[in-house]
Amino acid sequence: NAGVMQNPRHLVRRRGQEARLRCSPMKGHSHVYWYRQLPEEGLKFMVYLQKENIIDESGMPKERFSAEFPKEGPSILRIQQVVRGDSAAYFCASSQTKISYEQYFGPGTRLTVT
Amino acid sequence: KQEVTQIPAALSVPEGENLVLNCSFTDSAIYNLQWFRQDPGKGLTSLLLIQSSQREQTSGRLNASLDKSSGRSTLYIAASQPGDSATYLCAVEDSNYQLIWGAGTKLIIKP
Repeated sequence: NAGVMQNPRHLVRRRGQEARLRCSPMKGHSHVYWYRQLPEEGLKFMVYLQKENIIDESGMPKERFSAEFPKEGPSILRIQQVVRGDSAAYFCASSQTKISYEQYFGPGTRLTVT
Repeated sequence: KQEVTQIPAALSVPEGENLVLNCSFTDSAIYNLQWFRQDPGKGLTSLLLIQSSQREQTSGRLNASLDKSSGRSTLYIAASQPGDSATYLCAVEDSNYQLIWGAGTKLIIKP
């Protein structure tokens, strides 16, 4: 059973471009969480999704950021018109249930905005 | 608003020493506390989970304690090894079922 997969592992974008980050949860997991880790800081919750539904997006910036978890395919975190402050590591986690301590984390996508 | 603080931010010790990492949180209304390990370029690995009703958990050379009333947890690593070098993160599950994270302690074990 493969773990949580994220791609790309490293992404470089110029200011104003769009960034798309993908997360494939573990097999059998229908709950996906996205976190952002700024340099020298802890992870910050962004959004929690189940298949086809956004359950909690209280940690998502109101503008430029969106997330989806379609019926088929990976979860996508989309950042439009990226700015330098978006440079961070973005981690995805998945779980079989809503229980937090059953979250399994992916290796992260490191986004660099130049 | 729950805040999680980890001290020290970085720690370097010789191989074989026992060490303690600290985590404090401001709101005692938590469901559980977890310690994670983060290796460069890799994901996070859960090390120990302490439910709010528990006082400590042990796994091999690791022992984590929880004092909910004072808002503190410690991670004790016995007989440290170079392979223990990593960043150790503490996270609490708050009353909204969200994980609130500390900034981590970067640990270096010198051979």
